[in-house]
Amino acid sequence: DAGVIQSPRHEVTEMGQEVTLRCKPISGHDYLFWYRQTMMRGLELLIYFNNNVPIDDSGMPEDRFSAKMPNASFSTLKIQPSEPRDSAVYFCASGNSGFSNQPQHFGDGTRLSIL
Amino acid sequence: AQSVTQPDIHITVSEGASLELRCNYSYGATPYLFWYVQSPGQGLQLLLKYFSGDTLVQGIKGFEAEFKRSQSSFNLRKPSVHWSDAAEYFCAVGLNRDDKIIFGKGTRLHILP
Repeated sequence: DAGVIQSPRHEVTEMGQEVTLRCKPISGHDYLFWYRQTMMRGLELLIYFNNNVPIDDSGMPEDRFSAKMPNASFSTLKIQPSEPRDSAVYFCASGNSGFSNQPQHFGDGTRLSIL
Repeated sequence: AQSVTQPDIHITVSEGASLELRCNYSYGATPYLFWYVQSPGQGLQLLLKYFSGDTLVQGIKGFEAEFKRSQSSFNLRKPSVHWSDAAEYFCAVGLNRDDKIIFGKGTRLHILP
């Protein structure tokens, strides 16, 4: 079975540009999570969805960040405009309701560098 | 609010030696506890979890963890490490089955040949 698929794996862009990160969760999973990982702050939950509906977005740092899940097989995390402090590794994870809202499977991440 | 502490940022052990990674949590009730592993350039993988019942939990890759309520700890152990176990390990805690989990800062494990 395919795992959680994230694209792109690496993104380098200039400050002020729009960045869109993509995620395809594992088929059948009804929870989807977006995390950000940095050396300073560790792993932070940004937002999570249940059945395509955002449940908790309290971790989204600013209005520049937005996330959508138009269907069960696709989600995006958008940053507009991007800033150098947004540089981090962004992970998508999915899980099924048998484990409630704990992520069981992570993608390999998108390493984002904002110049 | 609940929190989770991993007091060791780095741990180095020799291949074949035993391993114990420490995790302490702060919460009044029994939380839901997890250990994840992250290999370089990859996402996290769930090793094991504790919800209730037997306080010694078996996980994948030969790992186990023991919940000790009196010490508010959930330490991860392995009797004999392999070079492939070199990775970063994260402890996580949740209030209940319906709440998001909080990750510790991680412990990076180095293996000496």
